[in-house]
Amino acid sequence: NAGVTQTPKFQVLKTGQSMTLQCAQDMNHEYMSWYRQDPGMGLRLIHYSVGAGITDQGEVPNGYNVSRSTTEDFPLRLLSAAPSQTSVYFCASREDRGLGNTIYFGEGSWLTVV
Amino acid sequence: SQQGEEDPQALSIQEGENATMNCSYKTSINNLQWYRQNSGRGLVHLILIRSNEREKHSGRLRVTLDTSKKSSSLLITASRAADTASYFCATLNFGNEKLTFGTGTRLTIIP
Repeated sequence: NAGVTQTPKFQVLKTGQSMTLQCAQDMNHEYMSWYRQDPGMGLRLIHYSVGAGITDQGEVPNGYNVSRSTTEDFPLRLLSAAPSQTSVYFCASREDRGLGNTIYFGEGSWLTVV
Repeated sequence: SQQGEEDPQALSIQEGENATMNCSYKTSINNLQWYRQNSGRGLVHLILIRSNEREKHSGRLRVTLDTSKKSSSLLITASRAADTASYFCATLNFGNEKLTFGTGTRLTIIP
């Protein structure tokens, strides 16, 4: 099983450039989300989606856009990259509502903005 | 703001000893999960405990949950060098579908 797949693994951007981090899952999960991880701050939620066509903001949404046109894909777009967006980004997915659903993470995307 | 806070922030023990990490959270939850992250890698799910459970075991892992104190603990018994990693607790609130992470405990096992 592929699980949650993120691309690219590593990326260097110049300030002001735009790019898209791709995330795909093959588990037919309704719920998908994007997190960023910065040193000493754990993971912070950027955006999430509870199903195709539905997205919502997390803790730190500014500077990022998402869309959910299919159940499988949940891309994260950086509109105009800033050095403050240098971070490690993780995509995650899980099944429908329930008390015992495990969340699956991708391997991460390391982004540096110079 | 972070929902969870792990304690201690860093822990070093000898191989074979037990390691205990604690997590406190702020709001009502539906479940609490523990994850491991090796340096430079993604997060690996370890164990999930539901809000109506008090204790759960998985191999060398033992998790407890005290919803009255809004706290959880993760015990790793008979530690091994391969257990060296960062450990995070995360809480899921179905009200807003947010999985919120703590800041993590960095565990080092000394051979």
